[in-house]
Amino acid sequence: AQKVTQAQTEISVVEKEDVTLDCVYETRDTTYYLFWYKQPPSGELVFLIRRNSFDEQNEISGRYSWNFQKSTSSFNFTITASQVVDSAVYFCALSEANGVNKFYFGSGTKLNVKP
Amino acid sequence: KAGVTQTPRYLIKTRGQQVTLSCSPISGHRSVSWYQQTPGQGLQFLFEYFSETQRNKGNFPGRFSGRQFSNSRSEMNVSTLELGDSALYLCASSSEPGGPGNTIYFGEGSWLTVV
Repeated sequence: AQKVTQAQTEISVVEKEDVTLDCVYETRDTTYYLFWYKQPPSGELVFLIRRNSFDEQNEISGRYSWNFQKSTSSFNFTITASQVVDSAVYFCALSEANGVNKFYFGSGTKLNVKP
Repeated sequence: KAGVTQTPRYLIKTRGQQVTLSCSPISGHRSVSWYQQTPGQGLQFLFEYFSETQRNKGNFPGRFSGRQFSNSRSEMNVSTLELGDSALYLCASSSEPGGPGNTIYFGEGSWLTVV
């Protein structure tokens, strides 16, 4: 069965610190997709990144970077030089390549960035 | 390009009543999926519609139903409301069902409170 685990329930950092959000997933599929979403207090889930299972290249986008490691079934997210605006709940998600948009979400990590 | 639009944003209902939530996907998107978010259960998949057909349904009772119209707009209905149905209901749209192009984009959600 598919499962996504975000063991960190809440993290607090001071502005400009680097922070890594952990994500571990389980799936029997050989092809799958991994995602990160950000949820501010307004409720909307904002798409951040998608990674295909066959592409293990790490990715950097500005202050955000993602480390995908199939060997450990992990897809971790790092924010460099965190800012107060980064405060939100972050969700990792997994979807299968079976023709259905059914996503399995982790329980989320609440990030508090203090000035 | 307009995002996913959900109405109403907030509503309060009484136990036993029914509720209908509406979702307009991103223009050109034909897949609409619904998720329920609660503090206890997190984000859970309700169902997905593509071309007016329900393609998959999550583990929810029959009180939860939905439909999709020819213009891709979708509605979900919950009948005989229970206190436990209080949640944020999120709609997401995608250009295609599961596959390489299956990033889903969320609306701001409908906050339902059952009293």
